[in-house]
Amino acid sequence: ETGVTQTPRHLVMGMTNKKSLKCEQHLGHNAMYWYKQSAKKPLELMFVYNFKEQTENNSVPSRFSPECPNSSHLFLHLHTLQPEDSALYLCASSQVGVYEQYFGPGTRLTVT
Amino acid sequence: GIQVEQSPPDLILQEGANSTLRCNFSDSVNNLQWFHQNPWGQLINLFYIPSGTKQNGRLSATTVATERYSLLYISSSQTTDSGVYFCAVEGEGTSGSRLTFGEGTQLTVNP
Repeated sequence: ETGVTQTPRHLVMGMTNKKSLKCEQHLGHNAMYWYKQSAKKPLELMFVYNFKEQTENNSVPSRFSPECPNSSHLFLHLHTLQPEDSALYLCASSQVGVYEQYFGPGTRLTVT
Repeated sequence: GIQVEQSPPDLILQEGANSTLRCNFSDSVNNLQWFHQNPWGQLINLFYIPSGTKQNGRLSATTVATERYSLLYISSSQTTDSGVYFCAVEGEGTSGSRLTFGEGTQLTVNP
């Protein structure tokens, strides 16, 4: 695998379900990010992790819970989501101190 | 926070035509990236260009940091160039890496 991978690519879940999104980067980076892209809106930053430590939470509701066990892996745990949370969730990585970010293919989430 | 405006919002071209996409930003930047989002949602890095000019095949980009704008040029457009083009910036005053995206330019290239 090369670059940034995300699984699953598509996910349909009910409002009472619990699911997790996974991101893995194979670029040797040490910063990872979650972004949300809703229909007709620009990408919005959700969380930032530098060296496995969360450095930014952009006022994201607690029903989204990130986890970064190491510099290569990032998870987004989902529970009791709302239909308006349906969106494309994108993961990115970069090297701390080097600004260019690289994105994964995204997980298209539908909440029913 | 920093504001990013892209124009035009929509652009329709015939194959072979040239185009210029613009990105205006409201403050000094550490980072400016151009991306192409394909129909499946993948964001493809085109340029990392906080200042200066770069070229990659039929694409080139110029950022004039002192005047707070960047331009993406697409020459001899092809149908595969269709998709949404995003400009994203990180302001100099921000701590950590925090890209702010514009709303994008939806490009359609017709055969």
